[in-house]
This record gives sequence, C-alpha cells and structure tokens, in this order.
Amino acid sequence: KQEVTQIPAALSVPEGENLVLNCSFTDSAIYNLQWFRQDPGKGLTSLLLIQSSQREQTSGRLNASLDKSSGRSTLYIAASQPGDSATYLCAVASNQAGTALIFGKGTTLSVSS
Amino acid sequence: GAVVSQHPSRVICKSGTSVKIECRSLDFQATTMFWYRQFPKQSLMLMATSNEGSKATYEQGVEKDKFLINHASLTLSTLTVTSAHPEDSSFYICSADGQGKSIQYFGAGTRLSVL
Repeated sequence: KQEVTQIPAALSVPEGENLVLNCSFTDSAIYNLQWFRQDPGKGLTSLLLIQSSQREQTSGRLNASLDKSSGRSTLYIAASQPGDSATYLCAVASNQAGTALIFGKGTTLSVSS
Repeated sequence: GAVVSQHPSRVICKSGTSVKIECRSLDFQATTMFWYRQFPKQSLMLMATSNEGSKATYEQGVEKDKFLINHASLTLSTLTVTSAHPEDSSFYICSADGQGKSIQYFGAGTRLSVL
C-alpha cells in the first residue's frame, strides 16, 4: 500500500530565504507526482506535475524534482515571500491511469516579513 | 484549463439532516470523479471513486449507505451525506480525472459543519 510522507510538518522562515520541502513515497511504481498548495479553509491549487519519466519541473520560483527509484521528491522555493505561506501537499498517482491520488499530510509553511 | 465546480462551499446543518454536494466538470467530460475528505490538520483521504453510469467504489471504512454517490452524467457527480452527525463535520473535496490521464482537477471543496 502506497504511503506518502512529508517532512517537515511545519516550517517557519524569514522572507527571502530559499527552502526545500521533502516528500517520500514507499512504492516507486508511480504514474506521476503532484505538488499542491492549500490555503487555510480552501481547496487545492496545483503547482507542479511531474510525470514518472521526468526528473524535474519548474514554474517561476518553484522547482520540483523526482527520484522515482529512491521514492523521493523535493519542492524548492526560491526567494520566499509572505504570500507563499500555505500548506504544501505532495500527492502520487499509482502506476495506472484513472486512479485516485495518495496524499501526504503536508508541510505548513510560514514566511515572515 | 479544466475547471471543476463544487457547490456549496459551506454548509451548516442540524444533526440528522441530509446534505447534498455537487461536483461538476465545466469544460471537459470526466468518466471518473473522486471524493476526498479532510479532517483538521490531516491530509486528504479518498472516500470513494465514482464512475459514470456505475456504482461508486468505496474505500474501506467509508459507509456506502451514509455517503451516497451518484454519477449520472459525464459532467456531474453528487455526494449526499445522509443523516449527518457532528462527527461528519469535515472538508469534502471532489476531483475529476482529465480523460484518464491521472491528471486530476479539484473543486474548491465544501466545508460541512453539523451542529
């Protein structure tokens, strides 16, 4: 059974700092991996999607990497801003199209000005 | 981009009442929709997988008679929480599969509070 773990559970940094969020999964047979952002009491915003054949994806100040063989992904946020404060969720899709996502518990990020 | 609309965004109801939540894919057809539940400070947990025209598949521990799912068309799935109780208070969120490519598009979620 696939399990997704995110470390750390919470992180507080000053504005401008670069940071890394970690995600690990137990079954390397994944179809893709997604990083989401969730603001308090709100739904999910998809940030980056990495297909199993890819090693990384970039969008603006965000860079996500995937090492499928070791079951790890990282989300790198450059030059953090207070507006980046949110919970970041990592989710994997199993090695089959049309299946549900398995989510980690998330990392709650707080960026102070 | 693909848009999934979920309504209502917030529901407050008395214990014992039933609540219906709608999930619509606005600009694409979704043969599969998923319903997740998120308790405070927890991650999203899959409740059920809904396929158009067939019965939903429920995850272990989710009562199918309490959480009724209907997926009558390729753009609409509904979740009805029957005889809601305070322990059903949670954040419910749906997603629609983008044509079987494991790219899921999420609704904005429904915050259910049962008094």
